[in-house]
Amino acid sequence: GQQVMQIPQYQHVQEGEDFTTYCNSSTTLSNIQWYKQRPGGHPVFLIQLVKSGEVKKQKRLTFQFGEAKKNSSLHITATQTTDVGTYFCAPDLWGKLIFGQGTELSVKP
Amino acid sequence: EAGVTQFPSHSVIEKGQTVTLRCDPISGHDNLYWYRRVMGKEIKFLLHFVKESKQDESGMPNNRFLAERTGGTYSTLKVQPAELEDSGVYFCASSLQVRETQYFGPGTRLLVL
Repeated sequence: GQQVMQIPQYQHVQEGEDFTTYCNSSTTLSNIQWYKQRPGGHPVFLIQLVKSGEVKKQKRLTFQFGEAKKNSSLHITATQTTDVGTYFCAPDLWGKLIFGQGTELSVKP
Repeated sequence: EAGVTQFPSHSVIEKGQTVTLRCDPISGHDNLYWYRRVMGKEIKFLLHFVKESKQDESGMPNNRFLAERTGGTYSTLKVQPAELEDSGVYFCASSLQVRETQYFGPGTRLLVL
């Protein structure tokens, strides 16, 4: 079945450093969503990408969808302690979200 | 607007017992989803309701799991009998339309001893 691989699994950064997580699929995706889950919390929707090569920004967060629609990335500029959590990519297959393993981000003040 | 709510927030039961989880979606959301995150693993899809109908139940692990959504409003997920490997966090989500944003509830943390 459809699977997505997400790397790295863990990332520890100093506050102010940048952070990037990558999501890769062996098949072409029609769309991809990104979620953030704070420790002890639940997934919260961040963004959805649907177009080849699409780039979307939300303040310090930049999301990209690859030209071949097989990969995606999330980049955070100048991390803050509030960015702590696990970031998941998830293609949406007609309502069925296929979550990657997630990248757990910790930020040292 | 109230978000997705789930009850209970935590449940500790013994192997062989029955547990029923409840999810109340956002009002007006026809689409309701169940997901599960077992310790250390990714969040996995269980099933998808459109109103009261099961649209996709391909993720249900086995016949010990029974999901219902009578009347197309709230949903229940019953595990009977529970096994140790059923421990994890069970999330419910809802959306207005398919492929639109899914709003997740706080989850039910289930521990089977």
